[in-house]
Amino acid sequence: DTAVSQTPKYLVTQMGNDKSIKCEQNLGHDTMYWYKQDSKKFLKIMFSYNNKELIINETVPNRFSPKSPDKAHLNLHINSLELGDSAVYFCASSQDRGMPELFGQGTRLTVV
Amino acid sequence: AQKITQTQPGMFVQEKEAVTLDCTYDTSDPSYGLFWYKQPSSGEMIFLIYQGSYDQQNATEGRYSLNFQKARKSANLVISASQLGDSAMYFCAVSNFGNEKLTFGTGTRLTIIP
Repeated sequence: DTAVSQTPKYLVTQMGNDKSIKCEQNLGHDTMYWYKQDSKKFLKIMFSYNNKELIINETVPNRFSPKSPDKAHLNLHINSLELGDSAVYFCASSQDRGMPELFGQGTRLTVV
Repeated sequence: AQKITQTQPGMFVQEKEAVTLDCTYDTSDPSYGLFWYKQPSSGEMIFLIYQGSYDQQNATEGRYSLNFQKARKSANLVISASQLGDSAMYFCAVSNFGNEKLTFGTGTRLTIIP
């Protein structure tokens, strides 16, 4: 199936741990994104990559590091997890910047 | 800078009625796109409809239409003949073609009553 897929769907981990969320799209899109949705459902962009190049970095702590090995993948690595990192993280992709974005199913991260 | 305002935190609508979800935006860029997304209780984000700032006609996608009033900076979503499956959170978003950053509103929780 053509889609944006992210894994895992659920992630429960202890404070201080390092974790990664993987994202892959097989739509041939050039641009990929990471969003964070907090407990109040507010969605905010974190990063945007276009053809493996970082385009947007929205005042996200250095503990968050995106990595794009190729334009079909954009992984999110988080170091030293904190309680406030608990949220749903969405990966998305679009054919080009400014075009409609298609979202993955989300990863619910819970830090305990 | 760009901003989206959705003034209706929640709405209850009778099944089969039409519903309008309000969205106003603020952007300094003359070229931008407006988007609506649906988030059901299962959590996924579903793209519904897109309107470009230079599009002359209002966008339509099946039962969804976008009432675009550029002078008023308004991009309301209209859902015709609502169905129980339309119950969800609905998010309006704007993206300036200059910075291509999608900025979301706070969402409207729509509940369709049988």
